[in-house]
Amino acid sequence: NAGVTQTPKFRILKIGQSMTLQCTQDMNHNYMYWYRQDPGMGLKLIYYSVGAGITDKGEVPNGYNVSRSTTEDFPLRLELAAPSQTSVYFCASSPGGSSNQPQHFGDGTRLSIL
Amino acid sequence: GEDVEQSLFLSVREGDSSVINCTYTDSSSTYLYWYKQEPGAGLQLLTYIFSNMDMKQDQRLTVLLNKKDKHLSLRIADTQTGDSAIYFCAERGGLDSGYSTLTFGKGTMLLVSP
Repeated sequence: NAGVTQTPKFRILKIGQSMTLQCTQDMNHNYMYWYRQDPGMGLKLIYYSVGAGITDKGEVPNGYNVSRSTTEDFPLRLELAAPSQTSVYFCASSPGGSSNQPQHFGDGTRLSIL
Repeated sequence: GEDVEQSLFLSVREGDSSVINCTYTDSSSTYLYWYKQEPGAGLQLLTYIFSNMDMKQDQRLTVLLNKKDKHLSLRIADTQTGDSAIYFCAERGGLDSGYSTLTFGKGTMLLVSP
């Protein structure tokens, strides 16, 4: 059971380049999330999705875009990379619904923008 | 918006008990969580507590919740060097998000010395 899988694990980008961070889950979870983690700052929510075709902004959405065409996949796109986007990015998923919904995390993508 | 505060660092000796504290502001919180992050890894769910409970025990872990003071604590009995990690407190809420999202604290780094 793979859980939440993120690719790539590491990436270095030049300023102004674009890239897509991939996230897929095999638990049939409806809810998916993207966070960024900066040193000493905890996790900040970028975007989330409560189901295929539905996405919502989190706390820090500027500079990012997402799509949710399938239940399994929730890619995060950076269009014009900036140094401020150097961070560790985590994808998570949860069952959703009205009951307790702990989030399951991937291992992260470490992104440096130079 | 919601806020979750934690102390940043805790150092204990192997075999002692560790207590990590957390305060939150959202009075509509329904579930509160503790996650563990080891170096280079994602977040692993340790335990959670429903807001109508005062205490939850799970092997070496004890969670105490004071809903009146909005204070949550995680006690680790017989702390081992393998418990060294960053521990995140998180609350489920946001009435605005339909309780779909989590708000995380900045994390407490626990260092266990032999």
